[in-house]
Amino acid sequence: AAGVIQSPRHLIKEKRETATLKCYPIPRHDTVYWYQQGPGQDPQFLISFYEKMQSDKGSIPDRFSAQQFSDYHSELNMSSLELGDSALYFCASSLALREGLWETQYFGPGTRLLVL
Amino acid sequence: ILNVEQSPQSLHVQEGDSTNFTCSFPSSNFYALHWYRWETAKSPEALFVMTLNGDEKKKGRISATLNTKEGYSYLYIKGSQPEDSATYLCAFMVYAGNNRKLIWGLGTSLAVNP
Repeated sequence: AAGVIQSPRHLIKEKRETATLKCYPIPRHDTVYWYQQGPGQDPQFLISFYEKMQSDKGSIPDRFSAQQFSDYHSELNMSSLELGDSALYFCASSLALREGLWETQYFGPGTRLLVL
Repeated sequence: ILNVEQSPQSLHVQEGDSTNFTCSFPSSNFYALHWYRWETAKSPEALFVMTLNGDEKKKGRISATLNTKEGYSYLYIKGSQPEDSATYLCAFMVYAGNNRKLIWGLGTSLAVNP
């Protein structure tokens, strides 16, 4: 079965550079979530999109932005990178909640970002 | 402040042992509780979504119960196997208007020795 695809899987950047992470949801899924997991920390919710519109915003820094495109893939743009941005970034997708159907999020393999 | 707590933080058992761990969450404004299994170098795998007080779900040797009134869920693994070694995460879903997100616990790390 198709899963959530994230690219790249690994990324090394220097401070103050920019990075773009991509997420391709499971086919027919219309909701995308972004999470950040620092070393030894639990995942922190960043932002989510439903039908190409931002649906919820968590602890996403102002230096980061994201969007969901017409094909439902999403990109997380990170600018002015800081050392503390080094983390594993997970994307998850799900099908929007409808009556009687409770959504489960399916996670991608993650992108490991290292900022030097 | 919404907080999800899991205990124990880590657990080491022998193959064949049964084990259980706890997820505690706010009992007010309950919407749903999710359990995920996360193996090293893999992405989290959804185990259960639980919504009703008294819910019991089962998947093979793994089962879970839910008490929304007192704010806890138990995850049981019967006859642990080495392949059960993973971190088990619970997440509490909050819902406000059209927005919903998961508040995660830190997980229970399970190691099953052969």
